[in-house]
Amino acid sequence: GDSVTQTEGPVTVSESESLIINCTYSATSIAYPNLFWYVRYPGEGLQLLLKVITAGQKGSSRGFEATYNKETTSFHLQKASVQESDSAVYYCALVPTSGGNYKPTFGKGTSLVVHP
Amino acid sequence: GPKVLQIPSHQIIDMGQMVTLNCDPVSNHLYFYWYKQILGQQMEFLVNFYNGKVMEKSKLFKDQFSVERPDGSYFTLKIQPTALEDSAVYFCASSFDQGANSGNTLYFGEGSRLIVV
Repeated sequence: GDSVTQTEGPVTVSESESLIINCTYSATSIAYPNLFWYVRYPGEGLQLLLKVITAGQKGSSRGFEATYNKETTSFHLQKASVQESDSAVYYCALVPTSGGNYKPTFGKGTSLVVHP
Repeated sequence: GPKVLQIPSHQIIDMGQMVTLNCDPVSNHLYFYWYKQILGQQMEFLVNFYNGKVMEKSKLFKDQFSVERPDGSYFTLKIQPTALEDSAVYFCASSFDQGANSGNTLYFGEGSRLIVV
């Protein structure tokens, strides 16, 4: 089946430092899947951070970026300068786009702690 | 933004009893999902539901599990009877569309923490 592997947390960085959370995926369907980053802030539900549905494209939101790389089957999340408010758990996910199976598969989540 | 509400947020139940977890999805959404997350582990897909029917279910969706959305009201997950290994946080999600290049975005609730004792 499909799988998503991401950086094991917790990841601890200081405010204004750069960040990268790795995500690689394996999809069983022939067509390229849609890729997502979701985030769960403390005390809140899971919410979409960004998504890319076309291989080769980049998505961005709230200063975060991720590029859909179909050659390396990766979708790493990056931010040039993190803030304390970015402390949260980040989930990489894929959704197939063919074969009648549209079940979203999530990674294990990466906890990010940003120190002031 | 759009909200998915889950009721209850927490429940403690004796093993063997029945439990119903309720989900109020985003109002115009058509696809509904349940995920299960055991403490410290990955969030795992259980089932998705559309037009009154289960579309797909995983191996985790045991015979004791059932889902329904009667008359467009709550989307429910029922476990009968419960077992100790059912202790987890259950997340409900909904989406408007699905399929190739739809970019379907799931909207999640905050989860229902179930403890079976």
